[in-house]
Amino acid sequence: NAGVTQTPKFRVLKTGQSMTLLCAQDMNHEYMYWYRQDPGMGLRLIHYSVGEGTTAKGEVPDGYNVSRLKKQNFLLGLESAAPSQTSVYFCASSLSTTGTNEQFFGPGTRLTVL
Amino acid sequence: KQEVTQIPAALSVPEGENLVLNCSFTDSAIYNLQWFRQDPGKGLTSLLLIQSSQREQTSGRLNASLDKSSGRSTLYIAASQPGDSATYLCAVGGDNRKLIWGLGTSLAVNP
Repeated sequence: NAGVTQTPKFRVLKTGQSMTLLCAQDMNHEYMYWYRQDPGMGLRLIHYSVGEGTTAKGEVPDGYNVSRLKKQNFLLGLESAAPSQTSVYFCASSLSTTGTNEQFFGPGTRLTVL
Repeated sequence: KQEVTQIPAALSVPEGENLVLNCSFTDSAIYNLQWFRQDPGKGLTSLLLIQSSQREQTSGRLNASLDKSSGRSTLYIAASQPGDSATYLCAVGGDNRKLIWGLGTSLAVNP
């Protein structure tokens, strides 16, 4: 099992450009999450999904959109990147609401917006 | 609103020392508590998860305890090694299955 994978690992964008970050998990997990990690701020939840075809807003959703068309994939989109979105983005997944809900993380994507 | 605090923010110890990392939370109505390790420039690795009904969990040299009534958890690392050097993060899960994170303790174990 590959666990949780993220692509790309690094990306540099110019202000106003768009991009999509891909998260994939092969553990048949129901829940998937997108976080951003910034120095001094800790991890903050952007969006999450409780199952295929469903998404919900987290703590800091503005400027991002997500889609969960397939159970194993969770996409995070930036329609018009801003320097404030420079961060490290982590995807995570967990089994179900009735289990332990232990979250498993991908390796992260380092995004710089110039 | 749940808030999670980790003290100390940084810790430097000689190899072989036993050490304790602290995590405190403001709302005792938690679903679980999870300890993670993060190496520089890397992702997060789950170390231990304690359900709200449990008091402690152990994995190898690691032991995590949970006291919901006082809003505290500790991560005990026995016989520390240089390979234990990393940032340790505590996250509290509520019944909405979302995690609230501390800022972490940066640990350096010196040979």
